[in-house]
Amino acid sequence: ELKVEQNPLFLSMQEGKNYTIYCNYSTTSDRLYWYRQDPGKSLESLFVLLSNGAVKQEGRLMASLDTKARLSTLHITAAVHDLSATYFCAVDTNSGYALNFGKGTSLLVTP
Amino acid sequence: EPEVTQTPSHQVTQMGQEVILRCVPISNHLYFYWYRQILGQKVEFLVSFYNNEISEKSEIFDDQFSVERPDGSNFTLKIRSTKLEDSAMYFCASTGMGATEAFFGQGTRLTVV
Repeated sequence: ELKVEQNPLFLSMQEGKNYTIYCNYSTTSDRLYWYRQDPGKSLESLFVLLSNGAVKQEGRLMASLDTKARLSTLHITAAVHDLSATYFCAVDTNSGYALNFGKGTSLLVTP
Repeated sequence: EPEVTQTPSHQVTQMGQEVILRCVPISNHLYFYWYRQILGQKVEFLVSFYNNEISEKSEIFDDQFSVERPDGSNFTLKIRSTKLEDSAMYFCASTGMGATEAFFGQGTRLTVV
């Protein structure tokens, strides 16, 4: 069974600070996804990482993938309040594109 | 911008009743999915559907659940004899051929009382 583990699950950080969210998964997969979810809302796709060593950046967020270590990171640079949300990583099962999600990291950025 | 649309946004039903959740995937997409999210928990895969048949399903997707694509645009999830623990947000998603990104609908919040 594919397991996807995120840490930390809760993160409170000050504006302007940097931090990294980690996503480990248990079986071979070359595709990893990061989603953002605001309270009561749907899942917004942030990054799709398709190969070992992939790095993508959008604004203050940067995601990377190490398929050999089965690890992805989501790095937050100079956090702002608007980044407060829950961030999920997900790995597909390589069959039918079904996604296995981590438990999510609830991020709160405070002044 | 194309989007996945779900109806209704919120449904309240009595325990034991049947509900049908509806989704209109993005028009040229070929893979369709249902996920659920119990309040405060992670998103769980239920089922994937391709070429008019189920391609994969999770342990959650038991005989209580069924999916259908009754016409060229709608994709439905039926839950028979709902239970209290079926209360959750249900998300529909779709993916195009060769595409790697799943687009999610806004969700249907199902409350079983």
